[in-house]
Formats: sequence, C-alpha cells, structure tokens
Amino acid sequence: DAGVTQSPTHLIKTRGQHVTLRCSPISGHKSVSWYQQVLGQGPQFIFQYYEKEERGRGNFPDRFSARQFPNYSSELNVNALLLGDSALYLCASSLAISGFQETQYFGPGTRLLVL
Amino acid sequence: AQTVTQSQPEMSVQEAETVTLSCTYDTSENNYYLFWYKQPPSRQMILVIRQEAYKQQNATENRFSVNFQKAAKSFSLKISDSQLGDTAMYFCAFMKQALGGGADGLTFGKGTHLIIQP
Repeated sequence: DAGVTQSPTHLIKTRGQHVTLRCSPISGHKSVSWYQQVLGQGPQFIFQYYEKEERGRGNFPDRFSARQFPNYSSELNVNALLLGDSALYLCASSLAISGFQETQYFGPGTRLLVL
Repeated sequence: AQTVTQSQPEMSVQEAETVTLSCTYDTSENNYYLFWYKQPPSRQMILVIRQEAYKQQNATENRFSVNFQKAAKSFSLKISDSQLGDTAMYFCAFMKQALGGGADGLTFGKGTHLIIQP
C-alpha cells in the first residue's frame, strides 16, 4: 500500500510569493495534519483536518491556510512568504475511526526554501 | 498546553549495545497517546512505537521498548542490540485523545540525535 505522498519534494520561492503544497493520505485515512519543521527543531503543528473540516490550528499567522478535498487529499497554502518560512513541511494522515485521532503517519515532506 | 522535553541533545553508543533515550512531558489531560518517531538523514518521519496512557503495560516493538511512568510523566525509549541503521534523530511526541482529532495535533520534543558507532 502506498504511504502518505507529498508534492513537490523541493521548492524554491522568493519573498512575497505564494506557495501551495499538496498531500495525499494513506488510502482509507480521513484525517490530515500539517507540520512545519525548521532545521534543528521538532515539527510544529500547523493544521488538522478531518472529514474536510478544520479541527485544529496551531500558532501560525493567517498567511497559512489549508483545505481538505472530498477524496481526503489536502493542500497547504502560504501567502506573502517570509525568509523564516523556509522549512520542511510535513503532512501526516491518520485513520481517525469514529473521529478519534490515532497514530499519525508521515509523508516524506516538502522542502521549501525562501530567498 | 502540553510540553515535551528531551534532555539529551545527542547520544553515541557502540553497535549491539543497549541505549535509553529520555522524555518527560507535562499535561493536565488524562487521556492521551505518546509516541517515539525516528527521523533518519532522509528526514522521513517514521513511527517507532506508541503508548496509550490508559494502558499500564509498556509497549514493545521488537528491539524497541518503552518505560512509561504516568505519575512521573516520563516516557523513555530503550533500544536493545543497537544497529547502525538506528542512527537518526529520535523525537518524543504527545497527542491528546479527542473526538474529531487532537486539536493541538502532535506536540514534539526537540529530539535526540542518536549515533550508533561500528
């Protein structure tokens, strides 16, 4: 079975630009979460979506937004990019039986570099 | 809010030795999960082991086991017969159990860089 997939794998943008990152969960998983991992740190929670609704949001500015589609895939959008947005963006999916969150399985991540 | 603390930035052991990574956490929640994830240089985050807070029995997965002390809010990872492929960053993570999702997602520690020497 395919794991969590993310695209693109690498991305270079300039300050002020907009970026869209994509994630496809493991088949049958209904919940997707997004994390930002800057070099040398643990991942920081950005968003969690379940059944196409936002269920949780971390301490990130409104420049960050996301959505989940009917097929449970998800997009993370970041507007007005700053140098500090350079990081590895990780997507994770979970089965979420009856809505309860369980183990999250991570994709390979998208490396974003903002110049 | 929850916090997760890993007090060992880096550890180094010889191949085949046993190593224990420490993790403490702070929460007012009663129902939660704890995890250890491994992140090798490829940066793919890989689940190592999971523990449900309501279970008294410590989780075990082959060479990996945990020592879960709920009252002390401690969750250490023991790796037996360490192998070169165990070299990676290891992250301890917390997630509260909530309908519709842990609204805070996973809370990670800063990680421990484990090096297995040949």
